[in-house]
Amino acid sequence: GESVGLHLPTLSVQEGDNSIINCAYSNSASDYFIWYKQESGKGPQFIIDIRSNMDKRQGQRVTVLLNKTVKHLSLQIAATQPGDSAVYFCAENGNDYKLSFGAGTTVTVRA
Amino acid sequence: GAGVSQSPSNKVTEKGKDVELRCDPISGHTALYWYRQRLGQGLEFLIYFQGNSAPDKSGLPSDRFSAERTGESVSTLTIQRTQQEDSAVYLCASSLAGGRLSYEQYFGPGTRLTVT
Repeated sequence: GESVGLHLPTLSVQEGDNSIINCAYSNSASDYFIWYKQESGKGPQFIIDIRSNMDKRQGQRVTVLLNKTVKHLSLQIAATQPGDSAVYFCAENGNDYKLSFGAGTTVTVRA
Repeated sequence: GAGVSQSPSNKVTEKGKDVELRCDPISGHTALYWYRQRLGQGLEFLIYFQGNSAPDKSGLPSDRFSAERTGESVSTLTIQRTQQEDSAVYLCASSLAGGRLSYEQYFGPGTRLTVT
């Protein structure tokens, strides 16, 4: 399944389907964006990053899309697996070194 | 290689007591960050250390919070006279360098603090 809308706190997806997690950022001066995955009881883990001079970047099973016009960031996960169940955070690094984190989206993968 | 480590993993304390949380960054990482994560919420920046520069303490919520770092190694976050609203997971992260084009931050597992 795919998420619709700017930001959803939870996303339930069937195993094998593609997932899309959305994030709106606030600072138009932000030029570096990161997606983190946080599993229960663990610290956030880097997934993928993108700089503002790009609009798309691909990793292994993940793609990040950046739309600077509407200040929107998305993370696409291909062929979602049970191990993808976690909370996903987007973060922006705007005027300084401090990362500003979004509220997070909890992804649950249904078998 | 070894990642960022934090201790203790869990801490339960009584209201009014002081607590000290420890972070061991990845060796060679000059930048170190502390964040607070309340239940079900995102990460809230607390403090940033970069080499020998003066730390950025702008995220500390009150003067009960303080942090120190010895050179480019261990950091301790101290919370004095703990309050129930201090209950949260405290996360530490380190990166190769800080600054405008921040390098990837590597997070530790966090310390879960519960103030009763």
